[in-house]
Amino acid sequence: GKSVGLHLPTLSVQEGDNSIINCAYSNSASDYFIWYKQESGKGPQFIIDIRSNMDKRQGQRVTVLLNKTVKHLSLQIAATQPGDSAVYFCAEDLPLTPRRYGGATNKLIFGTGTLLAVQP
Amino acid sequence: GAGVSQSPSNKVTEKGKDVELRCDPISGHTALYWYRQSLGQGLEFLIYFQGNSAPDKSGLPSDRFSAERTGGSVSTLTIQRTQQEDSAVYLCASSSDIAGGTDTQYFGPGTRLTVL
Repeated sequence: GKSVGLHLPTLSVQEGDNSIINCAYSNSASDYFIWYKQESGKGPQFIIDIRSNMDKRQGQRVTVLLNKTVKHLSLQIAATQPGDSAVYFCAEDLPLTPRRYGGATNKLIFGTGTLLAVQP
Repeated sequence: GAGVSQSPSNKVTEKGKDVELRCDPISGHTALYWYRQSLGQGLEFLIYFQGNSAPDKSGLPSDRFSAERTGGSVSTLTIQRTQQEDSAVYLCASSSDIAGGTDTQYFGPGTRLTVL
């Protein structure tokens, strides 16, 4: 079965508030994690990633936190906007080929997703 | 530059018919992946290509499913004798696999398959 799961299937927040979406993973061999955003009728869109040698990474209005001790991943969205409404997936990377020179091909294991609903 | 494209965007077919789904990856991306997404579910890995070869077919749900990639670019996913449970969105992704390249998979918009 899937080794990545989400704690909250639906998250409703007020516009301007911060959002936190959580994710658990179980495969200790995973060393790379990605958050994707999927709007209705579209394919998943890359948001931010993090490697296992880091515990925090920041992007524009988004921060990903990784706690390897408890195998937990979270996505924080600051000042949530209506355009942030979507399903958010975490995914863990299982390397299919040996990493060389920093590049690798990977098989992503996705969680079931969290629906973020932003209330105006 | 252009992203991953897929065609058709929607496909409605009758049970028992064969269907072909097409994926055009980002130019220069050597790795290509197919996933399936059922309604309200996460993505299920189907198959992965490195160039024209498919070292991992472990996700294909049955022998009715096959995929090929020619010229290290376009890929087709074929489903023979479709069943209603094959109804889903089929997503394609590509990534670069070069020295110093990124692992990030970039997804196409998907093909929504409906089997009546």
